[in-house]
Amino acid sequence: EPEVTQTPSHQVTQMGQEVILRCVPISNHLYFYWYRQILGQKVEFLVSFYNNEISEKSEIFDDQFSVERPDGSNFTLKIRSTKLEDSAMYFCAGGLRQQETQYFGPGTRLLVL
Amino acid sequence: GQQVMQIPQYQHVQEGEDFTTYCNSSTTLSNIQWYKQRPGGHPVFLIQLVKSGEVKKQKRLTFQFGEAKKNSSLHITATQTTDVGTYFCAHPGGSSNTGKLIFGQGTTLQVKP
Repeated sequence: EPEVTQTPSHQVTQMGQEVILRCVPISNHLYFYWYRQILGQKVEFLVSFYNNEISEKSEIFDDQFSVERPDGSNFTLKIRSTKLEDSAMYFCAGGLRQQETQYFGPGTRLLVL
Repeated sequence: GQQVMQIPQYQHVQEGEDFTTYCNSSTTLSNIQWYKQRPGGHPVFLIQLVKSGEVKKQKRLTFQFGEAKKNSSLHITATQTTDVGTYFCAHPGGSSNTGKLIFGQGTTLQVKP
């Protein structure tokens, strides 16, 4: 069964450094998302991506964040200058149709020191 | 707003006991989805409810969507240790219909063998 993959599984970085989180969604999916989950809290929406552009972003997704899908396969989330409060688990998700099932990747645990 | 309230936050049960988590919204929902997240894992889709008053069963799990489409519940009969995890309800939020999911706070289930 196809699944979403994410790399790295863990990332430790210094405050102010740039990080790129990578995701390979399921190949026939059309809608893509990034969510984050601070330890012990709920899953929060960051951004949705469709037809090679951002379709919606949350208040969390400020100018330090960007996403791209450069080659039709990888879907990346970049944080330009990390802050301590960016420490969280970041999940990539995808779906075939909006408002229906989303398939989540295993996540990248980001720790900003 | 679009938030969904989920209760209880935690539930400890003895193996074999039943468990129920509730999800409530102040606004009518187009659909509601349920996800399970094992400790250290990622959200895994369980089910989607769309119709008013809908009831769906998956083995020992029973999902209900209220008549007004503002609340939902997940009931597990005769819990097993494999049921341990956090159960989230989620709904597609936003007027832009991008498919972003808004998650409840989750109910963490512990099962004592």
